[in-house]
Amino acid sequence: LAKTTQPISMDSYEGQEVNITCSHNNIATNDYITWYQQFPSQGPRFIIQGYKTKVTNEVASLFIPADRKSSTLSLPRVSLSDTAVYYCLVGDVSGTYKYIFGTGTRLKVLA
Amino acid sequence: NAGVTQTPKFRVLKTGQSMTLLCAQDMNHEYMYWYRQDPGMGLRLIHYSVGEGTTAKGEVPDGYNVSRLKKQNFLLGLESAAPSQTSVYFCASILRRGHYEQYFGPGTRLTVT
Repeated sequence: LAKTTQPISMDSYEGQEVNITCSHNNIATNDYITWYQQFPSQGPRFIIQGYKTKVTNEVASLFIPADRKSSTLSLPRVSLSDTAVYYCLVGDVSGTYKYIFGTGTRLKVLA
Repeated sequence: NAGVTQTPKFRVLKTGQSMTLLCAQDMNHEYMYWYRQDPGMGLRLIHYSVGEGTTAKGEVPDGYNVSRLKKQNFLLGLESAAPSQTSVYFCASILRRGHYEQYFGPGTRLTVT
């Protein structure tokens, strides 16, 4: 299973774009990259998933370079309600289905 | 749909007592997972199931047992609770092979004294 490494914490101000990078040096060919958001006292919530290049949905973008050894979650114009912990996961959706969470990145958005 | 539900929401146990946590999903999902989350930490996988009647060990399976007798339910058992098992327990499910989005339940906060 690919191990992921993320910054422990980040601070940002409202209205700014936030980029959180995840390192997964031993990612396998069949692995997909998934990001989750977790608020205090709640279960994680799916944000976005990708395999390579760029993926965008209504809440975030995910950038994956050609070597796939890292990925960057981009949150445009954050607000106070985006204060949460963000987790990067790497897993094979056609194989073991055994997903391992890292320690996550604690994002604090300041007014 | 109720999604993923967990019972109970809170529980306090004495060391050595046993209990079962219930996870139920009404989305006809094939895969189900049990995680624990200690304060300030990430989630750690305890056990998981890729289908009715099947279970497998995760990162931290010791002290826990699981069963998946019905597709919609995934039970987590603690035979002899220890203070080290004080944690928040989350259940999650995935639709089927080839899908990646995990749907999480609200969690069960367990304290072992």
